[in-house]
Amino acid sequence: LAKTTQPISMDSYEGQEVNITCSHNNIATNDYITWYQQFPSQGPRFIIQGYKTKVTNEVASLFIPADRKSSTLSLPRVSLSDTAVYYCLVGENAGNMLTFGGGTRLMVKP
Amino acid sequence: DAEITQSPRHKITETGRQVTLACHQTWNHNNMFWYRQDLGHGLRLIHYSYGVHDTNKGEVSDGYSVSRSNTEDLPLTLESAASSQTSVYFCASSFSVNEQFFGPGTRLTVL
Repeated sequence: LAKTTQPISMDSYEGQEVNITCSHNNIATNDYITWYQQFPSQGPRFIIQGYKTKVTNEVASLFIPADRKSSTLSLPRVSLSDTAVYYCLVGENAGNMLTFGGGTRLMVKP
Repeated sequence: DAEITQSPRHKITETGRQVTLACHQTWNHNNMFWYRQDLGHGLRLIHYSYGVHDTNKGEVSDGYSVSRSNTEDLPLTLESAASSQTSVYFCASSFSVNEQFFGPGTRLTVL
């Protein structure tokens, strides 16, 4: 499984756009990039998944450059309720195994 | 609505006792997983199953076992609880495409 590297923590303010970048230099051809969100005392929750270029849903956007060695999760206009830990994971869909790293702890301030 | 539940939500036990944590999902997912999360850390995979009667070891499987007798349930058993197994345990299930649905977690304390 490809190893991922992401910042340990980030601070932001309400209403700002937040971009969290994840490095995955050893990503394999069949690997997808998936992001999860975890609030305190809760299980992780799927946010978004992509393979290349850009994916957007009602919660976030995911930008993946052509070499796929990194990806950026973009959260538009964050609110206090977006304070959470965000995990970047890389793996094959068929395998369904995920390796969670330490994640990025996002703190949104008023 | 379909859901995934875990029981108990909190458990205190003593070293050496056998403990079983329940996980039940109503999505009819073939894939089910058990993770542990220690304070301030990410999740680590304990065991997983791709279907009935299928079980596989994850990265931290020592001291744990699972069995899959039906689609809905994947109980996790600690054969002889140790203090190092004090943690929060999350169960998850999925159909495909890496979108796992997680349960609310079980906080286990081994004294």
